[in-house]
Amino acid sequence: DVKVTQSSRYLVKRTGEKVFLECVQDMDHENMFWYRQDPGLGLRLIYFSYDVKMKEKGDIPEGYSVSREKKERFSLILESASTNQTSMYLCASSLTGQTYGYTFGSGTRLTVV
Amino acid sequence: KNEVEQSPQNLTAQEGEFITINCSYSVGISALHWLQQHPGGGIVSLFMLSSGKKKHGRLIATINIQEKHSSLHITASHPRDSAVYICAALNNNDMRFGAGTRLTVKP
Repeated sequence: DVKVTQSSRYLVKRTGEKVFLECVQDMDHENMFWYRQDPGLGLRLIYFSYDVKMKEKGDIPEGYSVSREKKERFSLILESASTNQTSMYLCASSLTGQTYGYTFGSGTRLTVV
Repeated sequence: KNEVEQSPQNLTAQEGEFITINCSYSVGISALHWLQQHPGGGIVSLFMLSSGKKKHGRLIATINIQEKHSSLHITASHPRDSAVYICAALNNNDMRFGAGTRLTVKP
């Protein structure tokens, strides 16, 4: 059963901490994405990557960075967590080409206190 | 204005009712996704369609490319259908999401 795995379901961190959210996929997908989901706003794209060591900013990259050292792993980094980064974070992956859909992880609910 | 608009935002139904969720989009698309998100967060892809209609069990998705509109129908709804349903417009590798429709089906 192919999947996208996010390392934590729930996470509580303190303001100012450096936070790492990990995402691993086992489908050999080229493309990986990080979204945050907030009530009433839907999913918003933070960063995405089309290849190893490649990254592109999405719609709301401020306060975040990413790392893709290996094809299967895409990490989201909050350099200095703030309370407005409390959210649900979802990772997704896909193959290149318009006929392919996305596969999503289960999400990480991050609370910054 | 959001590029993908869903309606309604919230929907409460009695078990057995026929349910329709609507999605309108303003961007060019190569395909449209309907996604389901249960409490706890995981998202499951229900349908991906670029024309016509698809059916899977009690779920039916339709799309009208000319009108830039898609609908998700659930027949004989059940409490286990309670979830957030998300419409997403895909253009190559760019996915734009609606805000979601929260469906609650009461027994």
